[in-house]
Amino acid sequence: GNSVTQMEGPVTLSEEAFLTINCTYTATGYPSLFWYVQYPGEGLQLLLKATKADDKGSNKGFEATYRKETTSFHLEKGSVQVSDSAVYFCALSTGNKLTFGGGTRVLVKP
Amino acid sequence: EADIYQTPRYLVIGTGKKITLECSQTMGHDKMYWYQQDPGMELHLIHYSYGVNSTEKGDLSSESTVSRIRTEHFPLTLESARPSHTSQYLCASSEWGQGDTGELFFGEGSRLTVL
Repeated sequence: GNSVTQMEGPVTLSEEAFLTINCTYTATGYPSLFWYVQYPGEGLQLLLKATKADDKGSNKGFEATYRKETTSFHLEKGSVQVSDSAVYFCALSTGNKLTFGGGTRVLVKP
Repeated sequence: EADIYQTPRYLVIGTGKKITLECSQTMGHDKMYWYQQDPGMELHLIHYSYGVNSTEKGDLSSESTVSRIRTEHFPLTLESARPSHTSQYLCASSEWGQGDTGELFFGEGSRLTVL
C-alpha cells in the first residue's frame, strides 16, 4: 500500500534560518505529491504540489522537488519567518485518496 | 481560497448527547471526506463519499456515521458522544474525473470536547 514518512518534530529554528523537512514515500503507480500546512487552530491548506517526476512545486518561498529515484519530496525554505510556525504534512495521491505523513511541527523563534 | 465550511468550530458537550458536525462546500465537488486528527497531529480518514448516496468507511474505525443526500453537504453524526470522541474533525472535498491530481480542500475543522 501507499505510505508517507516524514521527519518527526518539533523543529525549532531562529528567524531567517534555513528549513528542511524530509519526506519519503512508498506508492504503487505514479503518485502526485503534496505539502499541506496547518496553522494553529485552522484546517489544512495546500502549500505546494508536484504531479510528475522532476517537477518542482513552489509557493510562499517554499520549494519541493519530486525525486522519483529517491522517492522523496523534501520541503525547503531559505529564510523562515515567525509566521511560518505551523504543522507541515507531506502527502501523496494515486487519484483515489490522499495518504498523509504524520506531520512535522515547526516553531520559528524571533 | 477554498469554499468549504464547517460548523460548529468548537463544541463542548456532555457524555451521551447526540451531535452533528456540519460540512458544506460550494465548489460542486463530488468527493468529500472526514478526517479525525488526534493530539499527536496525525490525520486518520474515517469516512468518505464519491457522490450523492455514496458513503464509505475510511481507514480508521469510527462510531460516527455520515450521510450524503446533497452534493454540497456531508454531515457527520455521533449518536451518543463519549470522552473518547474528543478530537478535531476535519472535512475536505476534491474533484473527481480525468486529470484529477487528488488535491484536497479542507474546512477549518470542528474541535469536539466530550466531558
